[in-house]
Amino acid sequence: DQQVKQNSPSLSVQEGRISILNCDYTNSMFDYFLWYKKYPAEGPTFLISISSIKDKNEDGRFTVFLNKSAKHLSLHIVPSQPGDSAVYFCAASAEATDKLIFGTGTRLQVFP
Amino acid sequence: GAVVSQHPSWVICKSGTSVKIECRSLDFQATTMFWYRQFPKQSLMLMATSNEGSKATYEQGVEKDKFLINHASLTLSTLTVTSAHPEDSSFYICSATRQGGYEQYFGPGTRLTVT
Repeated sequence: DQQVKQNSPSLSVQEGRISILNCDYTNSMFDYFLWYKKYPAEGPTFLISISSIKDKNEDGRFTVFLNKSAKHLSLHIVPSQPGDSAVYFCAASAEATDKLIFGTGTRLQVFP
Repeated sequence: GAVVSQHPSWVICKSGTSVKIECRSLDFQATTMFWYRQFPKQSLMLMATSNEGSKATYEQGVEKDKFLINHASLTLSTLTVTSAHPEDSSFYICSATRQGGYEQYFGPGTRLTVT
Protein backbone atom coordinates (compact mmCIF):
# COMPACT_ATOMS: atom_id res chain seq x y z
CA ASP A 1 0.00 0.00 0.00
CA GLN A 2 1.77 3.11 -1.24
CA GLN A 3 0.68 5.92 1.08
CA VAL A 4 2.73 8.53 -0.73
CA LYS A 5 2.68 8.53 -4.49
CA GLN A 6 4.57 10.39 -7.14
CA ASN A 7 2.83 9.41 -10.33
CA SER A 8 5.31 10.97 -12.71
CA PRO A 9 8.52 8.94 -12.76
CA SER A 10 10.27 11.56 -14.85
CA LEU A 11 10.03 15.17 -15.92
CA SER A 12 12.03 17.12 -18.48
CA VAL A 13 12.14 20.92 -18.34
CA GLN A 14 14.07 23.57 -20.18
CA GLU A 15 16.48 25.72 -18.23
CA GLY A 16 14.83 28.90 -16.96
CA ARG A 17 11.34 27.43 -17.00
CA ILE A 18 9.29 26.25 -14.05
CA SER A 19 9.50 22.66 -12.83
CA ILE A 20 6.44 21.31 -11.06
CA LEU A 21 6.72 18.03 -9.21
CA ASN A 22 3.59 16.47 -7.79
CA CYS A 23 2.90 14.22 -4.86
CA ASP A 24 -0.30 12.63 -3.57
CA TYR A 25 -0.94 10.94 -0.25
CA THR A 26 -3.69 8.81 1.17
CA ASN A 27 -3.20 8.97 4.93
CA SER A 28 -5.15 11.85 6.45
CA MET A 29 -3.02 11.59 9.59
CA PHE A 30 0.02 13.00 7.78
CA ASP A 31 0.67 16.50 9.02
CA TYR A 32 4.20 17.28 7.89
CA PHE A 33 5.61 17.01 4.41
CA LEU A 34 9.13 17.26 3.08
CA TRP A 35 10.90 17.28 -0.25
CA TYR A 36 14.30 15.71 -0.75
CA LYS A 37 16.67 15.81 -3.67
CA LYS A 38 18.84 12.81 -4.42
CA TYR A 39 21.73 12.17 -6.75
CA PRO A 40 22.71 8.61 -7.72
CA ALA A 41 24.70 6.73 -5.09
CA GLU A 42 24.21 9.53 -2.57
CA GLY A 43 21.86 10.09 0.34
CA PRO A 44 18.89 12.44 -0.04
CA THR A 45 19.34 16.12 0.73
CA PHE A 46 16.59 18.01 2.49
CA LEU A 47 15.10 20.81 0.37
CA ILE A 48 11.98 22.24 1.90
CA SER A 49 9.13 21.25 4.17
CA ILE A 50 5.60 22.31 5.01
CA SER A 51 3.32 21.79 7.95
CA SER A 52 -0.33 20.94 7.46
CA ILE A 53 -1.33 24.24 9.04
CA LYS A 54 0.08 26.04 6.03
CA ASP A 55 -0.72 25.83 2.35
CA LYS A 56 2.46 27.35 1.02
CA ASN A 57 6.10 27.59 1.98
CA GLU A 58 8.76 29.35 -0.04
CA ASP A 59 12.54 29.20 0.10
CA GLY A 60 14.38 30.91 -2.71
CA ARG A 61 13.65 29.15 -5.99
CA PHE A 62 11.69 26.42 -4.22
CA THR A 63 8.04 26.66 -3.23
CA VAL A 64 5.91 23.88 -1.84
CA PHE A 65 2.13 24.02 -2.05
CA LEU A 66 -0.18 21.87 0.04
CA ASN A 67 -3.82 21.13 -0.76
CA LYS A 68 -5.11 19.18 2.21
CA SER A 69 -8.58 18.59 0.85
CA ALA A 70 -7.10 16.98 -2.24
CA LYS A 71 -4.28 15.31 -0.29
CA HIS A 72 -1.88 16.75 -2.79
CA LEU A 73 1.33 18.69 -2.62
CA SER A 74 3.61 20.08 -5.25
CA LEU A 75 7.12 21.43 -5.46
CA HIS A 76 7.75 24.35 -7.80
CA ILE A 77 11.26 25.20 -8.88
CA VAL A 78 11.67 28.46 -10.73
CA PRO A 79 13.76 29.19 -12.60
CA SER A 80 14.99 25.66 -13.20
CA GLN A 81 18.72 25.15 -13.55
CA PRO A 82 20.72 22.24 -14.97
CA GLY A 83 22.09 21.61 -11.49
CA ASP A 84 18.55 20.82 -10.35
CA SER A 85 18.65 17.62 -12.38
CA ALA A 86 18.20 14.83 -9.83
CA VAL A 87 15.58 12.54 -8.37
CA TYR A 88 13.11 14.30 -6.08
CA PHE A 89 11.30 12.48 -3.32
CA CYS A 90 8.39 13.76 -1.33
CA ALA A 91 7.96 12.37 2.15
CA ALA A 92 5.31 12.59 4.83
CA SER A 93 5.07 12.02 8.54
CA ALA A 94 2.23 11.85 11.02
CA GLU A 95 1.91 13.65 14.34
CA ALA A 96 3.69 12.01 17.24
CA THR A 97 5.93 9.98 14.98
CA ASP A 98 9.15 10.89 13.28
CA LYS A 99 8.92 8.15 10.68
CA LEU A 100 9.01 9.35 7.12
CA ILE A 101 7.09 7.65 4.37
CA PHE A 102 8.68 8.33 1.00
CA GLY A 103 7.17 8.54 -2.44
CA THR A 104 8.68 6.68 -5.35
CA GLY A 105 10.51 9.70 -6.69
CA THR A 106 10.46 11.79 -9.84
CA ARG A 107 13.55 12.16 -11.97
CA LEU A 108 13.90 15.76 -13.08
CA GLN A 109 16.07 16.62 -16.02
CA VAL A 110 16.73 20.28 -16.79
CA PHE A 111 18.19 20.79 -20.24
CA PRO A 112 19.83 23.96 -21.63
CA GLY B 1 25.64 21.96 9.72
CA ALA B 2 24.07 18.58 10.11
CA VAL B 3 26.44 16.08 8.62
CA VAL B 4 25.91 12.35 8.66
CA SER B 5 28.57 9.97 7.48
CA GLN B 6 28.45 6.31 6.59
CA HIS B 7 31.22 3.78 6.41
CA PRO B 8 31.99 1.99 4.22
CA SER B 9 30.63 3.67 1.12
CA TRP B 10 30.63 0.39 -0.72
CA VAL B 11 31.33 -3.20 0.19
CA ILE B 12 31.43 -6.51 -1.62
CA CYS B 13 31.11 -9.67 0.40
CA LYS B 14 30.59 -13.35 -0.14
CA SER B 15 27.30 -15.05 0.52
CA GLY B 16 27.04 -16.24 4.12
CA THR B 17 29.29 -13.61 5.63
CA SER B 18 28.25 -10.67 7.81
CA VAL B 19 28.77 -7.02 7.05
CA LYS B 20 28.68 -4.06 9.41
CA ILE B 21 27.75 -0.57 8.27
CA GLU B 22 28.37 2.45 10.49
CA CYS B 23 26.36 5.65 10.61
CA ARG B 24 27.69 8.68 12.43
CA SER B 25 26.31 12.14 13.09
CA LEU B 26 29.41 14.32 12.93
CA ASP B 27 28.31 17.67 14.32
CA PHE B 28 25.16 17.02 16.29
CA GLN B 29 23.67 14.56 18.70
CA ALA B 30 21.19 12.29 17.03
CA THR B 31 18.39 11.24 19.31
CA THR B 32 16.97 9.00 16.63
CA MET B 33 18.56 7.24 13.70
CA PHE B 34 16.84 5.50 10.84
CA TRP B 35 17.95 2.82 8.42
CA TYR B 36 16.60 2.63 4.88
CA ARG B 37 17.29 0.49 1.88
CA GLN B 38 16.74 1.44 -1.69
CA PHE B 39 16.48 -0.89 -4.66
CA PRO B 40 17.28 0.50 -8.11
CA LYS B 41 14.70 3.02 -9.30
CA GLN B 42 12.56 2.50 -6.22
CA SER B 43 11.68 4.49 -3.16
CA LEU B 44 13.55 4.49 0.10
CA MET B 45 12.03 1.87 2.35
CA LEU B 46 12.34 2.35 6.07
CA MET B 47 13.82 -0.72 7.73
CA ALA B 48 14.06 0.32 11.35
CA THR B 49 14.16 3.19 13.79
CA SER B 50 16.68 3.26 16.59
CA ASN B 51 17.00 5.41 19.67
CA GLU B 52 20.19 5.61 21.66
CA GLY B 53 20.33 3.02 24.36
CA SER B 54 17.19 1.16 23.42
CA LYS B 55 16.24 -1.62 21.06
CA ALA B 56 15.47 -0.75 17.47
CA THR B 57 11.93 -0.79 16.17
CA TYR B 58 11.70 -2.75 12.96
CA GLU B 59 9.21 -2.23 10.19
CA GLN B 60 6.90 -5.03 9.19
CA GLY B 61 8.62 -7.59 7.04
CA VAL B 62 12.15 -6.72 8.16
CA GLU B 63 13.92 -9.57 9.91
CA LYS B 64 15.41 -8.27 13.13
CA ASP B 65 17.71 -11.25 13.47
CA LYS B 66 19.12 -10.66 10.04
CA PHE B 67 19.51 -6.90 10.23
CA LEU B 68 21.03 -6.18 13.63
CA ILE B 69 20.95 -2.56 14.68
CA ASN B 70 22.92 -1.13 17.55
CA HIS B 71 22.65 2.50 18.63
CA ALA B 72 25.46 2.68 21.12
CA SER B 73 25.75 6.45 21.45
CA LEU B 74 24.11 9.68 20.37
CA THR B 75 26.44 9.86 17.39
CA LEU B 76 26.76 6.26 16.24
CA SER B 77 24.43 3.57 14.96
CA THR B 78 25.47 0.37 13.25
CA LEU B 79 23.62 -1.99 10.94
CA THR B 80 24.95 -5.53 10.64
CA VAL B 81 23.66 -7.66 7.81
CA THR B 82 24.13 -11.19 9.06
CA SER B 83 24.58 -14.20 6.79
CA ALA B 84 24.23 -12.00 3.75
CA HIS B 85 22.70 -13.36 0.57
CA PRO B 86 22.62 -11.92 -2.95
CA GLU B 87 19.06 -10.66 -2.42
CA ASP B 88 20.42 -8.43 0.36
CA SER B 89 22.40 -6.52 -2.24
CA SER B 90 21.08 -2.99 -2.08
CA PHE B 91 21.83 0.61 -1.25
CA TYR B 92 21.57 1.16 2.50
CA ILE B 93 21.09 4.70 3.79
CA CYS B 94 20.95 5.97 7.33
CA SER B 95 19.52 9.21 8.60
CA ALA B 96 19.44 11.05 11.88
CA THR B 97 17.30 13.66 13.56
CA ARG B 98 18.15 16.23 16.17
CA GLN B 99 16.13 16.29 19.33
CA GLY B 100 12.80 17.97 18.64
CA GLY B 101 13.42 18.15 14.90
CA TYR B 102 11.47 16.68 12.02
CA GLU B 103 14.08 16.95 9.33
CA GLN B 104 16.11 13.85 8.78
CA TYR B 105 19.69 14.31 7.68
CA PHE B 106 20.86 11.51 5.49
CA GLY B 107 24.17 9.80 5.15
CA PRO B 108 25.71 9.24 1.72
CA GLY B 109 24.65 5.60 1.64
CA THR B 110 26.44 2.27 1.45
CA ARG B 111 26.31 0.07 -1.61
CA LEU B 112 26.30 -3.59 -0.56
CA THR B 113 26.93 -6.28 -3.15
CA VAL B 114 26.72 -9.90 -2.05
CA THR B 115 28.26 -12.40 -4.45
